[in-house]
Amino acid sequence: DAGVIQSPRHEVTEMGQEVTLRCKPISGHDYLFWYRQTMMRGLELLIYFNNNVPIDDSGMPEDRFSAKMPNASFSTLKIQPSEPRDSAVYFCASSLRRATTDTQYFGPGTRLTVL
Amino acid sequence: SQKIEQNSEALNIQEGKTATLTCNYTNYSPAYLQWYRQDPGRGPVFLLLIRENEKEKRKERLKVTFDTTLKQSLFHITASQPADSATYLCALGSGSSASKIIFGSGTRLSIRP
Repeated sequence: DAGVIQSPRHEVTEMGQEVTLRCKPISGHDYLFWYRQTMMRGLELLIYFNNNVPIDDSGMPEDRFSAKMPNASFSTLKIQPSEPRDSAVYFCASSLRRATTDTQYFGPGTRLTVL
Repeated sequence: SQKIEQNSEALNIQEGKTATLTCNYTNYSPAYLQWYRQDPGRGPVFLLLIRENEKEKRKERLKVTFDTTLKQSLFHITASQPADSATYLCALGSGSSASKIIFGSGTRLSIRP
């Protein structure tokens, strides 16, 4: 298995632009998580899905952030409009609940820089 | 509110010594605790899981303890090597929270030759 795949790996954009981050979870995993990591706040959970349905989006900072999971093999995190304070590394992770350990497998991350 | 604390300062250890990292938590009753390793520019990688009814877990040179009375986990790397240098994150999970795991901020470990 290729693991969790994220794209792009790096994104540089200007304030006010729309940014879309993409994630392909590990095949067969039924949970998908979006995290944001910064030096100041560490790893923060933004939203997670179970069987493509959003379960908890309480970590989404503002209405400018939205996430979708149209099918079991694809999810997007969108920021519109983007702001400099959104600069961070965004990770996608997936897990298999049936294992009952909830071990999460992380992708390589997308480093977002908003100028 | 739930809080997880890890050594805030970086830990510098001489090669061959045992590195010990601490994870403390408050206002939480986890069913299990996990340790992850994160290298620069990469996502966290799962290392070990220990359940609330387990006192200790080992995997090769790694050892984790879990004291639910003290609300603390210790993570040990014996015979440390420069390749062990990374940031280590602890994470708490509860079976009732539908797979939502809460992560600590991590401790950066440096092993000098």
